[in-house]
Amino acid sequence: KNEVEQSPQNLTAQEGEFITINCSYSVGISALHWLQQHPGGGIVSLFMLSSGKKKHGRLIATINIQEKHSSLHITASHPRDSAVYICAVGTSGSRLTFGEGTQLTVNP
Amino acid sequence: DTEVTQTPKHLVMGMTNKKSLKCEQHMGHRAMYWYKQKAKKPPELMFVYSYEKLSINESVPSRFSPECPNSSLLNLHLHALQPEDSALYLCASSQAPGTGQYTGELFFGEGSRLTVL
Repeated sequence: KNEVEQSPQNLTAQEGEFITINCSYSVGISALHWLQQHPGGGIVSLFMLSSGKKKHGRLIATINIQEKHSSLHITASHPRDSAVYICAVGTSGSRLTFGEGTQLTVNP
Repeated sequence: DTEVTQTPKHLVMGMTNKKSLKCEQHMGHRAMYWYKQKAKKPPELMFVYSYEKLSINESVPSRFSPECPNSSLLNLHLHALQPEDSALYLCASSQAPGTGQYTGELFFGEGSRLTVL
């Protein structure tokens, strides 16, 4: 069993839909990261959180430390949101443990 | 400036070639990282430099040789690579772990896509 599990692996949505990607982890963490990777390859850090909830534009990330679970929500999804979304947890020092990623496709 | 710049974006090399990947950041970060990413897989940590000293080497083969000539630059020297080394190589930077400024946030570059023939 991976230390970081994401679901779903693949997600297809219609433009405008509300999207949720889930992440569960089994280790003690210092912080949880949500990352976005477009087909070109570069990775963008969307959120880093250790408790509660953060919002940036149409993106919302929540974390429940007791349940070791985090969710990434996208409201009013748009085709430009199509990307791989990766959950990663910070464990010791500078190490990140990555989930396998969720491929999101938003159709117009 | 919150950019991590990687060059080249694409590199094709033969198994006998010697080439280098370069990474540069001007955010004052004192930790820099090399990751390797195969298609449809998450990134795998290769090396970490902290204050220009190698702090983590994840048992990477010696045909990959990292170098951190100063606090803004990180190189990855490549020699005698194998076709299975073809991958996206990502550089990242952060504040140095263990310091008061460390937040845990990583800033990634766009990657260098390497093909070994």
